[in-house]
Amino acid sequence: EPEVTQTPSHQVTQMGQEVILRCVPISNHLYFYWYRQILGQKVEFLVSFYNNEISEKSEIFDDQFSVERPDGSNFTLKIRSTKLEDSAMYFCASSLPVAEETQYFGPGTRLLVL
Amino acid sequence: GNSVTQMEGPVTLSEEAFLTINCTYTATGYPSLFWYVQYPGEGLQLLLKATKADDKGSNKGFEATYRKETTSFHLEKGSVQVSDSAVYFCALSGGGRDDKIIFGKGTRLHILP
Repeated sequence: EPEVTQTPSHQVTQMGQEVILRCVPISNHLYFYWYRQILGQKVEFLVSFYNNEISEKSEIFDDQFSVERPDGSNFTLKIRSTKLEDSAMYFCASSLPVAEETQYFGPGTRLLVL
Repeated sequence: GNSVTQMEGPVTLSEEAFLTINCTYTATGYPSLFWYVQYPGEGLQLLLKATKADDKGSNKGFEATYRKETTSFHLEKGSVQVSDSAVYFCALSGGGRDDKIIFGKGTRLHILP
């Protein structure tokens, strides 16, 4: 069964460093998403992406964040200058461009900012 | 804005007990409703969904009915197993162009053998 994959599974970085989280969505999906889950808290929407542009972003997704689909298979989330409060599990999701279609989530990348 | 409220955990049950996890929502329009499950050390998996009022979603013995009159989507299972131990998230999406998923805080379920 096709699945969303994410790399790395864990990343530790120093405050102020740039990180890039990578996702490979399901191959025929066209909508892409990033969510995050701070330890012990709810899963929060960050951004949605369609047709090579951001469809919607949350208040969390400030100028430190960016997303990109550099080629036909990868979808990346970049944090330019990480802060301690960016420590969280980051989930990528993808879906077909059909109304009410299910979003399929990857296993997540656990980011720890020291 | 849209929101989801679900019962606080943890919930601890014995194997073969009946499970209910309550979930209510606030939304404009006609949202789709979901239950996601997160097993220890893993990502989010869709457990079941319902896209319109009175629909019942079901999977792996779990079920939930979309109740528009009470704005609820309670998760039930008749006989839980140890392998059901996980965190369960109730969630909604607004539908149409508002496709982002809004999650509840999650309910941790422990099943004792």
